[in-house]
Amino acid sequence: QVQLAQSGAEVKKPGASVKVSCKASGYIFTSYTMQWVRQAPGQRPEWMGWIHTGNGNTKYSENFQGRVTIIRDTSASTAYMELSSLRSADTAVYYCARVGMFHEGADYYYYMDVWGEGTTVTVSS
Amino acid sequence: DIQLTQSPSFLSASVGDRVTITCRASQGISSYLAWYQQKPGKAPKLLIYAASTLHSGVPSRFSGSGSGTEFTLTISSLQPEDFATYYCQQLNSYPPFTFGPGTKVDIK
Repeated sequence: QVQLAQSGAEVKKPGASVKVSCKASGYIFTSYTMQWVRQAPGQRPEWMGWIHTGNGNTKYSENFQGRVTIIRDTSASTAYMELSSLRSADTAVYYCARVGMFHEGADYYYYMDVWGEGTTVTVSS
Repeated sequence: DIQLTQSPSFLSASVGDRVTITCRASQGISSYLAWYQQKPGKAPKLLIYAASTLHSGVPSRFSGSGSGTEFTLTISSLQPEDFATYYCQQLNSYPPFTFGPGTKVDIK
């Protein structure tokens, strides 16, 4: 079945970087864009960015001011999200999610139909 | 960025009740809206996309409507497994694809 398996929990010190992986299975990896979303405790999800897994093109939220990098390894069907210059406010659960698309005429509708289980990143001195 | 608000932020309901949640966008987003259900400690689960299209496998008691700036998610007969937090997400202008603040549905 279609699955996204994420790497395990991380504990980092302020100023460090973290890299989270997301391995896809059960579908053709390069046929779907992959996005990353994080959710701080008790907060709404926050969109971080996405990667077109076919050509590697990326889009990032300006809210992260250049601290986030998303890459993919097509041979391993895996996407990675790296967040640098960590601070305590980055403590959150980080999710990867597959981006589905539906089109009706000239309109293209995106949605996130398969999610990883989440990776808890704790930033603490 | 497009901002989303949801109302109510919390609602208490009984099994069998009809429940309606509203999501409003700060500017028109046509039908570029999705709804998700999230239970504690779990990833969000897609319910509705394109404002009113039911995702595969989602029970028909869930429905979505609206376009432009006002949208609704309706659960026609609340079931025990529906007690959760519901988020709307706009996928019109990007980045970012913003989420609403959520509506927690609790047992009365």
